[in-house]
Amino acid sequence: IAGITQAPTSQILAAGRRMTLRCTQDMRHNAMYWYRQDLGLGLRLIHYSNTAGTTGKGEVPDGYSVSRANTDDFPLTLASAVPSQTSVYFCASSESGLAGTGELFFGEGSRLTVL
Amino acid sequence: GQNIDQPTEMTATEGAIVQINCTYQTSGFNGLFWYQQHAGEAPTFLSYNVLDGLEEKGRFSSFLSRSKGYSYLLLKELQMKDSASYLCAALDSNYQLIWGAGTKLIIKP
Repeated sequence: IAGITQAPTSQILAAGRRMTLRCTQDMRHNAMYWYRQDLGLGLRLIHYSNTAGTTGKGEVPDGYSVSRANTDDFPLTLASAVPSQTSVYFCASSESGLAGTGELFFGEGSRLTVL
Repeated sequence: GQNIDQPTEMTATEGAIVQINCTYQTSGFNGLFWYQQHAGEAPTFLSYNVLDGLEEKGRFSSFLSRSKGYSYLLLKELQMKDSASYLCAALDSNYQLIWGAGTKLIIKP
């Protein structure tokens, strides 16, 4: 079934540890995004990539990094996790950038707890 | 600043109609999205409006007034499976999505 796969689905992490959340899509979408979702807040964009080889910063990029070596994969790395990074992380993709209808397809999310 | 406002929670009865409102303030505007998110699941696309008026899609309709910075999602013939959060998001002049916190809709039998 075509879509977006995220891993891990859930993780508990000690503060200061490095963590990479994986995201793979098989829809050949050009654009990919990482969001975090916290209770009482709207989805917040961390980083995005409009096409393979390019990345950009979103609303809350500090403490996170991404890479886009190919069309399908868009990993998100927390270099040194802090408790405020406890959240649910969603990877998403769209056929092109958000210009136009820009429908987003989301992965099932990765629940990260930093202690 | 940019802002999306929508009610935190609403309750409705199975078989009834419910309207979820959303007001937005953005730097420029390139469209308004509604997404549905069941608890513990990913958001899924419901609708996109860029022109004023009502777009109907089965039991769900979405309305936009650009001059008022206002949209609503109308759900008819409510079913228990419609219990979910409904997320409103506006596309600003830089084609960045600004998301509301979501409206949790509770359907009672």
